[in-house]
Amino acid sequence: QVQLQQWGAGLLKPSETLSLTCAVYGGSFSGYYWSWIRQPPGKGLEWIGEINHSGSTNYNPSLKSRVTISVDTSKNQFSLKLSSVTAADTAVYYCAKVLQADYYYMDVWGKGTTVTVSS
Amino acid sequence: EIVLTQSPGTLSLSPGERATLSCRASQSVSSSYLAWYQQKPGQAPRLLIYGASSRATGIPDRFSGSGSGTDFTLTISRLEPEDFAVYYCQQYGSSPPGYTFGQGTKLEIK
Repeated sequence: QVQLQQWGAGLLKPSETLSLTCAVYGGSFSGYYWSWIRQPPGKGLEWIGEINHSGSTNYNPSLKSRVTISVDTSKNQFSLKLSSVTAADTAVYYCAKVLQADYYYMDVWGKGTTVTVSS
Repeated sequence: EIVLTQSPGTLSLSPGERATLSCRASQSVSSSYLAWYQQKPGQAPRLLIYGASSRATGIPDRFSGSGSGTDFTLTISRLEPEDFAVYYCQQYGSSPPGYTFGQGTKLEIK
């Protein structure tokens, strides 16, 4: 049973770079995509991007210029960097396992990391 | 980009009643690419339905999904107290590749 454990800095100042990491335990790392999703306070879910074990990425076009998702297969981890943050980037950030075969969906989620951007 | 619109925004029902939640896409979506999630306060979303109508592992059979093309429905046949939550639909698009979510339907106790 795959479990995801995520961590990273929770308080940032405007213009800084958000950095989060998600570790995958208890299952295969290859054969799936691994995503980041965020949820501003009181709002809905926004997909940020994804990566697979070989480093192939897809990003939300609205965030693409500021986002980098990377993978460390030796540790079964993947990471998110979001540059030049503003208050609008304040959100709970989730990592998730993505099944992409006959169906496309996110079946395992991390618990979420609250990131606040404030001067 | 495909936009998903969920209705109603809030649904007020009593335990034991039937809930019908709608997800409408701005253009046709493959059923294989449509999923539903449940989110309770302070928790991560939980996968309920994938492929528009297949229940995820461990999901009770009172949850069912249906639909095709641009109109999809999540039905909860008989509401239990633990079903009151926010529900999101999600679709995958291939050009460019990525995912979008509906804005959510809040199911609240009447």
